[in-house]
Amino acid sequence: GAVVSQHPSRVICKSGTSVKIECRSLDFQATTMFWYRQFPKQSLMLMATSNEGSKATYEQGVEKDKFLINHASLTLSTLTVTSAHPEDSSFYICSAGQGARDQPQHFGDGTRLSIL
Amino acid sequence: RKEVEQDPGPFNVPEGATVAFNCTYSNSASQSFFWYRQDCRKEPKLLMSVYSSGNEDGRFTAQLNRASQYISLLIRDSKLSDSATYLCVVNRIPGTGNQFYFGTGTSLTVIP
Repeated sequence: GAVVSQHPSRVICKSGTSVKIECRSLDFQATTMFWYRQFPKQSLMLMATSNEGSKATYEQGVEKDKFLINHASLTLSTLTVTSAHPEDSSFYICSAGQGARDQPQHFGDGTRLSIL
Repeated sequence: RKEVEQDPGPFNVPEGATVAFNCTYSNSASQSFFWYRQDCRKEPKLLMSVYSSGNEDGRFTAQLNRASQYISLLIRDSKLSDSATYLCVVNRIPGTGNQFYFGTGTSLTVIP
């Protein structure tokens, strides 16, 4: 089945650092990928929709200058958390689907980000 | 009103029990429906798609009621390994493309 790879799986860094997370579709092309954030014991929250070759669409309340998204190819989207602070510590997950409306999303393994 | 609503639980059931989860969605234009399973500190994994006629996969049965806008998941003969959070996911296509909406999840603990 479709596989989505996310890297890195774990990041611990100092406040003020920028962190880049990669999301790759390994055996299919994804014109659209989604980025989510999940705080402990809470549900997944959609942050933004990443569109290949065009600007990402951000959900209300998500700062586009804080969370930079680049979707330069059909198999790779990146999320950069700029100048991360402790409140940005969370579980970040990407997903991608094979395009057809009845196809499910497949999730990356997630990235656990801890900002000290 | 939220796009997708689920009872968060928790549901604590003994091994071997049958348990059912319901999920309601608010937008009648929703087109595709899925159940995902999420284990603690892991990413969601697809459990099954939900088809209009209802579908079964082993001990799991999913049903869709478009008229009432709800989806259900039935788990028979619960196993300890079924303990997880079950997410209801609904897809529709707004003007900007595919959009997936997640419920908050229903927590299940199967007790020995």
